[in-house]
Amino acid sequence: IAGITQAPTSQILAAGRRMTLRCTQDMRHNAMYWYRQDLGLGLRLIHYSNTAGTTGKGEVPDGYSVSRANTDDFPLTLASAVPSQTSVYFCASSVSTDSNQPQHFGDGTRLSIL
Amino acid sequence: AQKVTQAQTEISVVEKEDVTLDCVYETRDTTYYLFWYKQPPSGELVFLIRRNSFDEQNEISGRYSWNFQKSTSSFNFTITASQVVDSAVYFCALCPRGQNFVFGPGTRLSVLP
Repeated sequence: IAGITQAPTSQILAAGRRMTLRCTQDMRHNAMYWYRQDLGLGLRLIHYSNTAGTTGKGEVPDGYSVSRANTDDFPLTLASAVPSQTSVYFCASSVSTDSNQPQHFGDGTRLSIL
Repeated sequence: AQKVTQAQTEISVVEKEDVTLDCVYETRDTTYYLFWYKQPPSGELVFLIRRNSFDEQNEISGRYSWNFQKSTSSFNFTITASQVVDSAVYFCALCPRGQNFVFGPGTRLSVLP
């Protein structure tokens, strides 16, 4: 079934550790996104990529990095996790960054930083 | 600045009642798109509808209907004859042309049997 796969599903991590959240899509979408979802704040954009080889900063990029080596994969890395990064992380993709294109989401990664 | 407000944090209704979820947006752009997403208890986000700023025609899809009014910057979502399966968090989102999505904080709808 075509879609977006995120891994892991959930993770508990000690503060200060490095962590990479994986995201893979098989829809050949050009654009990909990482959001964090926090209660009362909705989804906030962390980083995005318009196409393979390019990335951009969203609303809350600090403490996170991304790479887009190919069309399908868009990993999100926390270099040194802090408790405030405890959240649910969603990866999304869209055909393009045209504003009329809906974004399709993965099932999320629940991350707890202790 | 772009902003989406969903003033209703939580709503509870009894099955078969109609319910309207409010969405108010702010943008200075004249071309933009509005979206609604559903997040059921299983956690995934499901795309429901897209509307562009030049099309104020209301839309109905089964028990779902959407009312877009540019004059009040609102894009409200009504569920008719609600069902328990409608229980979810609903997000409204704004995407001005050439910019990223801005999501509202969401409204948690509980439909009680």
